[in-house]
Amino acid sequence: AQSVSQHNHHVILSEAASLELGCNYSYGGTVNLFWYVQYPGQHLQLLLKYFSGDPLVKGIKGFEAEFIKSKFSFNLRKPSVQWSDTAEYFCAVTDGNQFYFGTGTSLTVIP
Amino acid sequence: ETGVTQTPRHLVMGMTNKKSLKCEQHLGHNAMYWYKQSAKKPLELMFVYSLEERVENNSVPSRFSPECPNSSHLFLHLHTLQPEDSALYLCASSQDMGWDGYTFGSGTRLTVV
Repeated sequence: AQSVSQHNHHVILSEAASLELGCNYSYGGTVNLFWYVQYPGQHLQLLLKYFSGDPLVKGIKGFEAEFIKSKFSFNLRKPSVQWSDTAEYFCAVTDGNQFYFGTGTSLTVIP
Repeated sequence: ETGVTQTPRHLVMGMTNKKSLKCEQHLGHNAMYWYKQSAKKPLELMFVYSLEERVENNSVPSRFSPECPNSSHLFLHLHTLQPEDSALYLCASSQDMGWDGYTFGSGTRLTVV
């Protein structure tokens, strides 16, 4: 079975700091990759996704992620975080049969 | 609204009660899912329905019973729950098993007392 690892469980940043959240998966075949965000008290919503093509994908709210196939990684980045980015971030991978979620990274941005 | 609606938003129930969680999707998707989200634990897939047939049951205790009467509706029937079942229960839907991603509902926050 697939596994998805998010190495940072809790990240605390000051506003305007740069963000990078790690995500690694285990499957060697074709996958689609996703980052979901869950703001406090809200539903999980799609931040960005990678299917094919340019390995650098841009999502909503200034987020981007880079797919590095050789490293089985799909790290999430944002150059300058805002207080409103405080949320839980989930990496997810599908091999077409099932979705696999990481354990999530809690991001706290201090004003 | 995401297109996936869950009711109720909050539920408090005793261990001897019977209650049901409801999920409805308006996206025309053909697969629906129940997930359990507990604090400091990964999202746990509970049940998967594709074209109204259950295709996955991840060793979930029998006190949780899903029902999918049609492709737009999904229920989770609860009876004789335990306090450790307190969690956020998320419903999601997708087209064709999620190759294009899932759409989640807002969840039902369940507290078992």
